[in-house]
Amino acid sequence: AQKVTQAQTEISVVEKEDVTLDCVYETRDTTYYLFWYKQPPSGELVFLIRRNSFDEQNEISGRYSWNFQKSTSSFNFTITASQVVDSAVYFCALSEARGSLGPSGSRLTFGEGTQLTVNP
Amino acid sequence: DAEITQSPRHKITETGRQVTLACHQTWNHNNMFWYRQDLGHGLRLIHYSYGVQDTNKGEVSDGYSVSRSNTEDLPLTLESAASSQTSVYFCASSSFLTGIEQFFGPGTRLTVL
Repeated sequence: AQKVTQAQTEISVVEKEDVTLDCVYETRDTTYYLFWYKQPPSGELVFLIRRNSFDEQNEISGRYSWNFQKSTSSFNFTITASQVVDSAVYFCALSEARGSLGPSGSRLTFGEGTQLTVNP
Repeated sequence: DAEITQSPRHKITETGRQVTLACHQTWNHNNMFWYRQDLGHGLRLIHYSYGVQDTNKGEVSDGYSVSRSNTEDLPLTLESAASSQTSVYFCASSSFLTGIEQFFGPGTRLTVL
């Protein structure tokens, strides 16, 4: 069975601080996808990034960066110079591969989420 | 623009009543999913469908049912609502061909009294 663990339930930082959200996953699949979603106070779920299990390159998008390490089954998310607008719940999720058809349409297993509060 | 909508956005009902939550997407996606979000549990999969007439149970399917009669809609029915089903419900869809990431609807907040 798949499992995603986000050990940090809540994090509170002051604006401009860097913050890292941890995500550890468990799966028996050799092919899988990892995701991060953001849920702002308005409640919608916003897709941030997808990573496949064969691509361990770190990715940077503006103030956001992601560190994928298969050796430790981790997919951590760092926000540099945090801003008040980054305050949200962040979810890490795992998608299994759907047989020979690949991960298309596969179900997501979510972590419990990390509530990030950025204070001015 | 293509989108995924849910209705109603808020619903209050009583224990034992049947409730149906609507999900409609105009992406023409084959895959549709229903999740519920509860504090301390993240999002958990209720039911999913990979196409018309296809439905599958997810992690927390007891007390829920779905049917898929067309590509655009996947209504979620609570046969006899229970207080434990008070939650926020999210519908999502993805493309079979290209869709690895799922696109989520705005959510429905359901309260069962």
